[in-house]
Amino acid sequence: AQTVTQSQPEMSVQEAETVTLSCTYDTSESNYYLFWYKQPPSRQMILVIRQEAYKQQNATENRFSVNFQKAAKSFSLKISDSQLGDTAMYFCAFMKQSNNAGNMLTFGGGTRLMVKP
Amino acid sequence: ETGVTQSPTHLIKTRGQQVTLRCSSQSGHNTVSWYQQALGQGPQFIFQYYREEENGRGNFPPRFSGLQFPNYSSELNVNALELDDSALYLCASSPGFFYTDTQYFGPGTRLTVL
Repeated sequence: AQTVTQSQPEMSVQEAETVTLSCTYDTSESNYYLFWYKQPPSRQMILVIRQEAYKQQNATENRFSVNFQKAAKSFSLKISDSQLGDTAMYFCAFMKQSNNAGNMLTFGGGTRLMVKP
Repeated sequence: ETGVTQSPTHLIKTRGQQVTLRCSSQSGHNTVSWYQQALGQGPQFIFQYYREEENGRGNFPPRFSGLQFPNYSSELNVNALELDDSALYLCASSPGFFYTDTQYFGPGTRLTVL
């Protein structure tokens, strides 16, 4: 079984600054995907960024980037030039890479991010 | 907007009752997954359906059951409600059940059990 841990329950950042959210995971799998999802007050979970474990290059999506350390089982999210609309709960999630296992996500407990004007 | 809708938005039930939650997926999305998100926690996987058959199940008792219909709608049924069933229930749809298929989440149904 996999576990995902987010050690920062809450964080805050000033608008336009950079913030990093931490995530660690535990798995015996060698092939998997990692995700960051954003859940704003509207409750609709939105995919922010995805990383394939077999890729050494860290994924980036505009202002969002990850620092993936496979050996350390660490997967942090960096948000640059923070905007008020980034205020939300952020969840780190794990998915085992298997054609037969479905695409079940295992989520961490979340980090509440507040961007202050 | 993800194109996934859920109804109702909120629901209040009493312990021991039965409840049905509904999800409407994007057209062409043959897979639907259901998650339970307790207050202040991350979502937990309940089960997944692919082309109307259960394709995986998390650590939830049999009183949690589901149905998926050919018109890309689905249901989550919970019998004999318990207080701990109070949570936000999320559905997520994807074209298939492979790891490469991105899941699109609905806004959830908030269930309160009194």
